[in-house]
Amino acid sequence: DADVTQTPRNRITKTGKRIMLECSQTKGHDRMYWYRQDPGLGLRLIYYSFDVKDINKGEISDGYSVSRQAQAKFSLSLESAIPNQTALYFCATSDYGSGETQYFGPGTRLLVL
Amino acid sequence: AQSVTQPDIHITVSEGASLELRCNYSYGATPYLFWYVQSPGQGLQLLLKYFSGDTLVQGIKGFEAEFKRSQSSFNLRKPSVHWSDAAEYFCAVGAGNYGQNFVFGPGTRLSVLP
Repeated sequence: DADVTQTPRNRITKTGKRIMLECSQTKGHDRMYWYRQDPGLGLRLIYYSFDVKDINKGEISDGYSVSRQAQAKFSLSLESAIPNQTALYFCATSDYGSGETQYFGPGTRLLVL
Repeated sequence: AQSVTQPDIHITVSEGASLELRCNYSYGATPYLFWYVQSPGQGLQLLLKYFSGDTLVQGIKGFEAEFKRSQSSFNLRKPSVHWSDAAEYFCAVGAGNYGQNFVFGPGTRLSVLP
């Protein structure tokens, strides 16, 4: 089984809709991240969490919110989706003390119409 | 803050040829350096990483990378490319145990000719 899983893998939604992307991990890592990937821009950090009670904004947090329901679960919400949020979204985990090597889920491809 | 550049957006090589993908970084301290590969429709897989010590790092799938502090570079190499290596490759720099400072380059897309 994969160590970092994301659901759904693909999602089509309409402008103005609220959607949630979910991430679960079995690696036992404390730290979790949400990134978005756009062609030619690499990955950009949306939010990160160093433990259940710690949530922090990343480079591009506007229009997004997150919830860390448990050590193993980290959800990303788009409160009111807009077309420029169409992207590939990745969840990642890391562990303090290992140089913060990040391990990624398979990604969620989101299309906002 | 750190930054990463990958000068080549797209590279095409013939199967069996050697490969070098370039990565340059900017960071004020000793960086933690990574190469990831993303196959079509897949997530990012860690190829190799450099934290300290030997500047030539061996990774999975026959890849290696060399850290050159004087050139602020961490280029990825493979002596003989296989068709299955066609993918997108990302260089990343981290600031030690500050995971939020993990910065990715824009990526290099590798195509392999038969």
